[in-house]
Amino acid sequence: GQQVMQIPQYQHVQEGEDFTTYCNSSTTLSNIQWYKQRPGGHPVFLIQLVKSGEVKKQKRLTFQFGEAKKNSSLHITATQTTDVGTYFCAGGSGNTGKLIFGQGTTLQVKP
Amino acid sequence: NAGVTQTPKFRVLKTGQSMTLLCAQDMNHEYMYWYRQDPGMGLRLIHYSVGEGTTAKGEVPDGYNVSRLKKQNFLLGLESAAPSQTSVYFCASRLVYGELFFGEGSRLTVL
Repeated sequence: GQQVMQIPQYQHVQEGEDFTTYCNSSTTLSNIQWYKQRPGGHPVFLIQLVKSGEVKKQKRLTFQFGEAKKNSSLHITATQTTDVGTYFCAGGSGNTGKLIFGQGTTLQVKP
Repeated sequence: NAGVTQTPKFRVLKTGQSMTLLCAQDMNHEYMYWYRQDPGMGLRLIHYSVGEGTTAKGEVPDGYNVSRLKKQNFLLGLESAAPSQTSVYFCASRLVYGELFFGEGSRLTVL
């Protein structure tokens, strides 16, 4: 079945450093979504990518969807302490409605 | 609007007991999902539904049953709870191809 792998599992950075998390699917995706979960909270939607090679930016966050629609990345420029949390990708396939999450990357930022 | 509401928020069960988690959404969403979250495992899809009266298996469906008799409600049942089902359970809903809206989570402990 469809699998979504996400690396790294943990990342510790100094405030101001950049951060990247990578997501890889075993199958071609119809779309990919990214979520952020703060400690003790629930996942909150960040963005959705649909087109092959798509790049979207939200302030310091840059999201990419691979040309083959099997991989994606989230890059944060100049991290801040407010970026702390776990970032998840979630891949959708076809018209099934199924949405499979990666294992998540937990980001710690040292002030 | 309340969004997605899960009840109960906390529950402790003994091995072999049964229980039902209720998820209710007031956004008229077609799709509803049940995920479980365990440390280091991310969010794993248990069952999902793409419309009233329909359900489908996710990644980890064994030991769980679901029902979607009304569009706004999605019930998750454990017939005979096991310690391996100790987890945080999240319900989510969305429009077709839209973003997921999550509930606050239900923490279940099975002794």
